Amino acid sequence: SYVLTQAPSVSVAPGKTATIACGGNNIVSKHVHWYQQKSGQAPVLVIHYDSDRPSGIPERFSGSNSGDTATLTISSVEAGDEADYFCQVWDNTDNHVVFGGGTKLTVL
Amino acid sequence: QVTLKESGPALVKPTETLTLTCTFSGFSLSSSGMRMAWIRQPPGKALEWLARIDWDDEKFYRTSMRTRLSIAKDTSKNQVVLTMTNMDPVDTGTYYCAHYTSGSPFDALDVWGQGTMVTVSS
Repeated sequence: SYVLTQAPSVSVAPGKTATIACGGNNIVSKHVHWYQQKSGQAPVLVIHYDSDRPSGIPERFSGSNSGDTATLTISSVEAGDEADYFCQVWDNTDNHVVFGGGTKLTVL
Repeated sequence: QVTLKESGPALVKPTETLTLTCTFSGFSLSSSGMRMAWIRQPPGKALEWLARIDWDDEKFYRTSMRTRLSIAKDTSKNQVVLTMTNMDPVDTGTYYCAHYTSGSPFDALDVWGQGTMVTVSS
């Protein structure tokens, strides 16, 4: 089955840029979606189809996908961006959704 | 506006069957391209996708739990029901239902319910 790998944690100072990676075999061939989950809340979709922002998501959030790594980038990080971030793809071999293990973003 | 809300027991005993209901509004699950899913999250852990049901009643399940899961829809009530048999303490967690953006099986989950916490304990 397909596996998505994320670093457990990333730390960044306010105003700087956070980069959260999601690794998978030839992930460039898949559509990657990203979710933000703040403590005690349900996940929120922040990027879909690698780099598209849903309505209402700030332009500070962007995504890319190349080779074996998809990346979520958050520019000008704010305290309110502190959350867990999960990547997700559809595995068409097993016909089910796969989530990464999540990355906890800490704003210093 | 799409809204979802999960309901079900907060506590179940080991070996029992869990039945969760997702009541939704803002769309019809009988409309072409509509899909919904159940996802769970053990405390402090990652999201785990469990099952999906499509507008045409096609169903998909987490491979490792296929024998324990059943998903069904009641379009007249705007509900999706998840049944999970033989519950175990490791099944403890928050269970979410979610709506797919429409049109493709590769779609993202664009609207989530608030989640319902289920504890498995004797």
